[in-house]
Amino acid sequence: NAGVTQTPKFQVLKTGQSMTLQCAQDMNHNSMYWYRQDPGMGLRLIYYSASEGTTDKGEVPNGYNVSRLNKREFSLRLESAAPSQTSVYFCASTWGAGQETQYFGPGTRLLVL
Amino acid sequence: AQSVAQPEDQVNVAEGNPLTVKCTYSVSGNPYLFWYVQYPNRGLQFLLKYITGDNLVKGSYGFEAEFNKSQTSFHLKKPSALVSDSALYFCAVRGNDMRFGAGTRLTVKP
Repeated sequence: NAGVTQTPKFQVLKTGQSMTLQCAQDMNHNSMYWYRQDPGMGLRLIYYSASEGTTDKGEVPNGYNVSRLNKREFSLRLESAAPSQTSVYFCASTWGAGQETQYFGPGTRLLVL
Repeated sequence: AQSVAQPEDQVNVAEGNPLTVKCTYSVSGNPYLFWYVQYPNRGLQFLLKYITGDNLVKGSYGFEAEFNKSQTSFHLKKPSALVSDSALYFCAVRGNDMRFGAGTRLTVKP
């Protein structure tokens, strides 16, 4: 039982390049989330998927798109990376979309030059 | 929208002393409150949560938190700190979605 896994662990992009961050969970959770973590700002929600087939914007969605590929997988895409998107990205999952505990992946560190 | 404030960027305590990490919140309706811990280069790990019931919530690793509705606070506490408790601690509140505080870095010195 791996929990929540994320790939890649680290990525360097040039401004304007695109990339997709992958997230998968093996806990049969219904809801999945993408956050970014910046110093002094805590975690901010980018997008979430309450259930397979649905996605919703969070606090900071601009510049990102998501796909809930199936129940296990939730990807985050940067179409045209900007230096302001340099951050650590965390994926998380919960069984439901209410007060359940969130389980986090190890994070992807992204540097946009 | 809901929000969380962690007024201290840094808390320093000596090993064996009690520790408190402060959190205040704002949310419409009943608050669902959480504490998470983050060790270097790792994702967040759940410590404890308040949904309803007893105002004193006990969690992992000897941590507890006290919910105070009148003061809209949810402070994290531990009676006797360990050096291994040194980490980044996040308070979070669930409203329409989850909102996290900016984090408090706890350093426990031997």
